[in-house]
Amino acid sequence: QVQLQESGPGLVKPSETLSLTCSVSGGSINDYYWTWIRQAPGKGLEWIGYISDSGSATYNPSLKSRVTISIDTSNNHFSLSLTSVTAADTAVYYCARSLLGWFSDLWGQGTLVTVSS
Amino acid sequence: IQMTQSPSTLSASIGDRVTITCRASQSINRWLAWYQQRPGRAPKVLIFEASSLESGVPSRFSGSGSGTEFTLTISSLQADDFATYYCQQYNTYSGWSFGQGTKVEIK
Repeated sequence: QVQLQESGPGLVKPSETLSLTCSVSGGSINDYYWTWIRQAPGKGLEWIGYISDSGSATYNPSLKSRVTISIDTSNNHFSLSLTSVTAADTAVYYCARSLLGWFSDLWGQGTLVTVSS
Repeated sequence: IQMTQSPSTLSASIGDRVTITCRASQSINRWLAWYQQRPGRAPKVLIFEASSLESGVPSRFSGSGSGTEFTLTISSLQADDFATYYCQQYNTYSGWSFGQGTKVEIK
């Protein structure tokens, strides 16, 4: 069965760039949209953006100036880059699969990223 | 598009019928999903397209609504159902937005 796994540093310094990768195993990355969603401690879900298998990305307007999502279909993974991070970017970051960019039917377990010096 | 859920917290007992409401700031037709999130876990989709039950989700969960007002109903609350529930709209190519969540607690 298809599984998603986030990977990347758990600690990032303020003003630096947060970079995460989501590896897709057990199935192809093609024919779906791939999404990043985050959840600050004790807070609700915040959609960051998604990317199609062809590389077309859509971002949350509130994060758009700092976010890049990319996809590597050859290696079955996609990535998140968030620049100029502050403590407000501390959150559990989830990667997820989406059919046609509608909703997420499959999620990774999430990875906590803390922004601190 | 802003999504507003009510209530923010709900206290209920096993066997109760529970209803959560989600309102959109503009019409989203039926492009709405509901998720359940247990503590420390990733969310799980329950309902999509306002009323379609995701495969494997118990039939005690149901969704209804269109336009700007939607409801998630749990017909008979079970122990596994104590969790936080989120609505999510996917109407626009400008992206998604989530409600703030409704925590269902044991009364």
